[in-house]
Amino acid sequence: AQTVTQSQPEMSVQEAETVTLSCTYDTSESDYYLFWYKQPPSRQMILVIRQEAYKQQNATENRFSVNFQKAAKSFSLKISDSQLGDAAMYFCAFLSGTYKYIFGTGTRLKVLA
Amino acid sequence: NAGVTQTPKFRILKIGQSMTLQCTQDMNHNYMYWYRQDPGMGLKLIYYSVGAGITDKGEVPNGYNVSRSTTEDFPLRLELAAPSQTSVYFCASIRGGGSAYNEQFFGPGTRLTVL
Repeated sequence: AQTVTQSQPEMSVQEAETVTLSCTYDTSESDYYLFWYKQPPSRQMILVIRQEAYKQQNATENRFSVNFQKAAKSFSLKISDSQLGDAAMYFCAFLSGTYKYIFGTGTRLKVLA
Repeated sequence: NAGVTQTPKFRILKIGQSMTLQCTQDMNHNYMYWYRQDPGMGLKLIYYSVGAGITDKGEVPNGYNVSRSTTEDFPLRLELAAPSQTSVYFCASIRGGGSAYNEQFFGPGTRLTVL
C-alpha cells in the first residue's frame, strides 16, 4: 500500500527567505504522480506544483520548486522569497497508476513579517 | 460550470443515525474521491471511483459506503453514525488521463458532527 509521510508538523520562515518542506512516500509502482497542495484557512485546496515520476527534471512554478529523488522516494518543496500569503497548510499528495490519490498529514507554514 | 458541489454544508447527527452526503460534478470527470479531514490533520481517503459502477476502498472505509451509478454523482453513505465520524468531508474529482488532467477539484466540504 502507498503511504505519504510529512515529518514536519509546523515550519516557520522569515518573509523573503527560503523554506523547504519535506515529504517522503512509499510505493512499489514505477509510474505515478506527486503533488503539493496548499490549504489556506478557507479550506480551499490549491494545487501548487506537480511532478511526473518518469521525469528526472525537477518541476518549477515561479517561486516554488521541488527536489524529486525517486530512488530515495523523497519529494520536497522549496519556497523562495516567502510571502505572507504563503502561510497555509501544505499537503504532499501521491497519485498511483490505479488512480488512488492519497495525501500526507500536512505541514503548517508560518511566515514571519 | 459549477465544478464539484456538496450537500449539505453542515449537519449534526445523533449516534446511530444514518445519512447520505451528496456530491455532484459537472466537468465530466472520470475519477471521484471522498476524503475526511479531522481538525488540524491531513486528508484521509475513504473511497474512490474510477468510473460509473466502479468503486474501491481507500485508507479509512469502515463505517461508510458509496455508489456511483452515473458519471456525475458519487454519494457517501454513513450507517450507524459514531462520534469518531465527526469530521469535515470533502468530495473531489479529476479528469485523469495524464499529468495535465490530474489536478484534484474539490467541493466546499461538509462539516459533520455526531453527538
